[in-house]
Amino acid sequence: GENVEQHPSTLSVQEGDSAVIKCTYSDSASNYFPWYKQELGKRPQLIIDIRSNVGEKKDQRIAVTLNKTAKHFSLHITETQPEDSAVYFCAASMAFGNEKLTFGTGTRLTIIP
Amino acid sequence: EPEVTQTPSHQVTQMGQEVILRCVPISNHLYFYWYRQILGQKVEFLVSFYNNEISEKSEIFDDQFSVERPDGSNFTLKIRSTKLEDSAMYFCASGDLATFFGSGTQLSVL
Repeated sequence: GENVEQHPSTLSVQEGDSAVIKCTYSDSASNYFPWYKQELGKRPQLIIDIRSNVGEKKDQRIAVTLNKTAKHFSLHITETQPEDSAVYFCAASMAFGNEKLTFGTGTRLTIIP
Repeated sequence: EPEVTQTPSHQVTQMGQEVILRCVPISNHLYFYWYRQILGQKVEFLVSFYNNEISEKSEIFDDQFSVERPDGSNFTLKIRSTKLEDSAMYFCASGDLATFFGSGTQLSVL
């Protein structure tokens, strides 16, 4: 089955700097890659996703890139703010919305004021 | 904005007891899921449900687990005889073009 690796496990950045979180996946049939933000004790919240026919997608300060050949995708957060502090999970799936998600192990992002 | 809702938010039970976790998926979604998250770990898939039947289940989802959609709105996860290792946060999710999670039920088995 699918296996998703995520790095780093923890990341601290100064407020205003950029943060990058990287994931690799094993199954070349995966074609949907969402990112979830989880604050302590809360639900995973979808923040951005990308489908395999797209190499990059941007939404304000958040962007995701996908390299299908290398089987990796990354989350980029620019101009970080204290409210960006949370655990971020990448995931992979065969399809969007109607197939199970396989999650990475998570990255605890801390924004230092 | 529509949300997946789950009840209860916390459930404490004795080992060997049955528990039922309840979920109301987003109304126009057709695909329903249960995931769990042990404290400090990643979210793990348990089961997916479509067209009133299980479409896929993980190794975790053994004979002690069952799911049901008893009416047009509710989606339930039953654990027949809870074990200590069932203690976790259980998330319900529903999907159409993306997957959205409920706020979870924290299950503690004593």
